[in-house]
Amino acid sequence: NAGVMQNPRHLVRRRGQEARLRCSPMKGHSHVYWYRQLPEEGLKFMVYLQKENIIDESGMPKERFSAEFPKEGPSILRIQQVVRGDSAAYFCASSPVMVVGNQPQHFGDGTRLSIL
Amino acid sequence: AQTVTQSQPEMSVQEAETVTLSCTYDTSESDYYLFWYKQPPSRQMILVIRQEAYKQQNATENRFSVNFQKAAKSFSLKISDSQLGDAAMYFCAYTDSNYQLIWGAGTKLIIKP
Repeated sequence: NAGVMQNPRHLVRRRGQEARLRCSPMKGHSHVYWYRQLPEEGLKFMVYLQKENIIDESGMPKERFSAEFPKEGPSILRIQQVVRGDSAAYFCASSPVMVVGNQPQHFGDGTRLSIL
Repeated sequence: AQTVTQSQPEMSVQEAETVTLSCTYDTSESDYYLFWYKQPPSRQMILVIRQEAYKQQNATENRFSVNFQKAAKSFSLKISDSQLGDAAMYFCAYTDSNYQLIWGAGTKLIIKP
């Protein structure tokens, strides 16, 4: 029973390049959440997706960041023209239903993005 | 807006002793959920314990228990019989009917052998 799978585990990019982070939710989970963790801080909500739908992207920066969760395949968090400030750990979580309280989100191991 | 505050950046405890990690939160909601997550050096985010606000009884999971004081908006985590494997960052998190988890800044727990 595989958990939430994120890859790559570590990603190094130079300023101006694109970063693609992948997340495969747990089997049977159709709700995906992306969080960002800056050094010495807790996680910050970025976006909530269901299959083929963005439900809430209120935590996403307005520019350069986008997310998708296609009908087939993993959810993708895409960062264009990366800058040093994008260096962080990016976590994906999934749940079978939307209500978090009764169905806690299950987290992946995160992708650590480093910008040179 | 809801906030979660962890006032202890770092705590240390002797192995086999008991330690309490503090968490306070601010909300105007009456129905919500609170969580403690553990993040070891491997960076996995592991759910330790959760509490429903409508339940007066404090949640317990083996050596982990909470002291939930709704009126004071306090949600502390007690770890009994501390073990070396408990060393990690501990995060307090909150959510109401909205799905977003609001996180504290974390407390680093050091276990002294």
